[in-house]
Amino acid sequence: ELKVEQNPLFLSMQEGKNYTIYCNYSTTSDRLYWYRQDPGKSLESLFVLLSNGAVKQEGRLMASLDTKARLSTLHITAAVHDLSATYFCAVPSSGTYKYIFGTGTRLKVLA
Amino acid sequence: DVKVTQSSRYLVKRTGEKVFLECVQDMDHENMFWYRQDPGLGLRLIYFSYDVKMKEKGDIPEGYSVSREKKERFSLILESASTNQTSMYLCASSAPIDSGSPLHFGNGTRLTVT
Repeated sequence: ELKVEQNPLFLSMQEGKNYTIYCNYSTTSDRLYWYRQDPGKSLESLFVLLSNGAVKQEGRLMASLDTKARLSTLHITAAVHDLSATYFCAVPSSGTYKYIFGTGTRLKVLA
Repeated sequence: DVKVTQSSRYLVKRTGEKVFLECVQDMDHENMFWYRQDPGLGLRLIYFSYDVKMKEKGDIPEGYSVSREKKERFSLILESASTNQTSMYLCASSAPIDSGSPLHFGNGTRLTVT
């Protein structure tokens, strides 16, 4: 059964600092998705990673995928308060229509 | 842009009532999903549908049913609402998984059952 784990679960960081969120998954997949959720709101798609070595960047966020290690990272550069949100990774479950979500990482950027 | 619309943002119902949550998408997506989200439990899949009139149970289908009579609309039904169904309900749609398309979520319905 596919399991998706994120760490850390909570992250409080100062503005201007760098940090990385990790997403590990337990079975083979060549694609992975990152979503952002603001408090009280729904999820919005951030990045779609479709192959080993894929790297996507938008603003201060950069996501990468290593399918051999079954690991994706979401790197935050020079954090700003607007990045405060919960970030989820999700992996499609092979042979099904399901996406398995990580537990989410709640990020709080302190001014 | 893909738009997924859920009929209500907030809903308050009484125990035992039959509750309908409606979701409509405008991108001709085959796949549609209902999740519930609770603090500390993450997103849990209730049901999904991969075609009109086709549905499959997710991880927590008990107490719920669904209907997909038209491609663009996927309804979640709580046959007899209970207080433990108080939650945030999220509808999503997507193109086929092998297309690489992400899930597109609606704004969510926060349901309170009293």
